[in-house]
Amino acid sequence: KQEVTQIPAALSVPEGENLVLNCSFTDSAIYNLQWFRQDPGKGLTSLLLIQSSQREQTSGRLNASLDKSSGRSTLYIAASQPGDSATYLCAVIMEYGNKLVFGAGTILRVKS
Amino acid sequence: GAGVSQSPRYKVAKRGQDVALRCDPISGHVSLFWYQQALGQGPEFLTYFQNEAQLDKSGLPSDRFFAERPEGSVSTLKIQRTQQEDSAVYLCASSLVRTPIGRYGYTFGSGTRLTVV
Repeated sequence: KQEVTQIPAALSVPEGENLVLNCSFTDSAIYNLQWFRQDPGKGLTSLLLIQSSQREQTSGRLNASLDKSSGRSTLYIAASQPGDSATYLCAVIMEYGNKLVFGAGTILRVKS
Repeated sequence: GAGVSQSPRYKVAKRGQDVALRCDPISGHVSLFWYQQALGQGPEFLTYFQNEAQLDKSGLPSDRFFAERPEGSVSTLKIQRTQQEDSAVYLCASSLVRTPIGRYGYTFGSGTRLTVV
């Protein structure tokens, strides 16, 4: 059974810092990996999707990497802003499945 | 519509009451998923529809949970005889394509927060 773990569970940083969120998964037979953002009382917003054949994806200040063989992904946020404060969720889809398997998330607070 | 719409946004139910949660996916989206998110946890898969066919219901926690999508658009998640452990946010997601979703991704609704008292 696929298990997704996110470290740290919570992170508080001053505005302007670069930061890294970590995600690991136990079964490397994934189809793709996604990073989502969740604001309180809101649904999930997809940030980046990395296919299993890709190593990284970038969008603005966000960069996500994927090392499928070691079961790891990182989300790098450059020059953090208070508006980045949210919960960040990592999720994978298996090669043989159709559902997202999520980690528990990292709660990020960026202080102004 | 422009996004995935879920109603109600909030629902308080007395233990033992039946509830029905509604999801309006983006028009034309083939795939529809329901997830359950407990406080402080990531969402967990409940069930998946491809058009009107329920292809996977392996995540439904008990036979008190039932989902349908009779015309391949709107879906309803029904919980019978609610228990306190059913308290969670119920998220609906839709996708334009059949699985695997590939590069198309999902669009999530804002969820229904169910509190059983």
